[in-house]
Amino acid sequence: DIQMTQSPSSVSASVGDRVIITCRASQGISTWLAWYQQKPGKAPKLLIYAASSLQSGVPSRFSGSGSGTDFTLTISSLQPEDFATYYCQQANSFPVTFGQGTKLEIK
Amino acid sequence: EVQLVESGGGLVQPGGSLRLSCAASGLTVSSNYMSWVRQAPGKGLEWVSVIYSGVTTHYADSVRGRFTISRDNSKNTLYLQMNSLRGEDTAVYYCARGDRSGSPIPVYFGYWGQGALVTVSS
Repeated sequence: DIQMTQSPSSVSASVGDRVIITCRASQGISTWLAWYQQKPGKAPKLLIYAASSLQSGVPSRFSGSGSGTDFTLTISSLQPEDFATYYCQQANSFPVTFGQGTKLEIK
Repeated sequence: EVQLVESGGGLVQPGGSLRLSCAASGLTVSSNYMSWVRQAPGKGLEWVSVIYSGVTTHYADSVRGRFTISRDNSKNTLYLQMNSLRGEDTAVYYCARGDRSGSPIPVYFGYWGQGALVTVSS
């Protein structure tokens, strides 16, 4: 199975800050990676697929990059509604695996 | 508008069975890649199973042999039959539609249901 490891596990930031979350795969997955945002009590929301493609309707302050084993999610200027938990997920092979999550909190 | 609505969750004793349903509108279950993803209380996301291309199915190791994914095309509904339930199966179960978008496997989950809570406890 491909293991996905996110860092940091939690981060505190302020509105307007730039935040970068990283995700590392235990083996190469090309660009077959997605990022999700989840708020408490809600289903996850797809933000990025294929490592860098922005899902329709997602604000352009979200961007993704990377290939192989190392990936990043960048939020260029944090907005109040961005405080949530973020997950990466590989789409290279079964079983599908997610990172453990990164909780983004208000400083 | 796509809507996925899960039902069938509840409290069940260890060793028991439960069947979850996911009623779809705005999409045809039979022609889409449909998955179940679960989330234990306070924990992260765990993929459970997928069905696509007629009868192709895949399962997480943790549920293989105990859970069965299926669909009823006439009802446009996805199911998850869960047998031999354990405490570690306690979670909110989401159904989700996957997209391939060029990837080897169709698991970019762009649509999710609201989730159904399954609690396994005596």
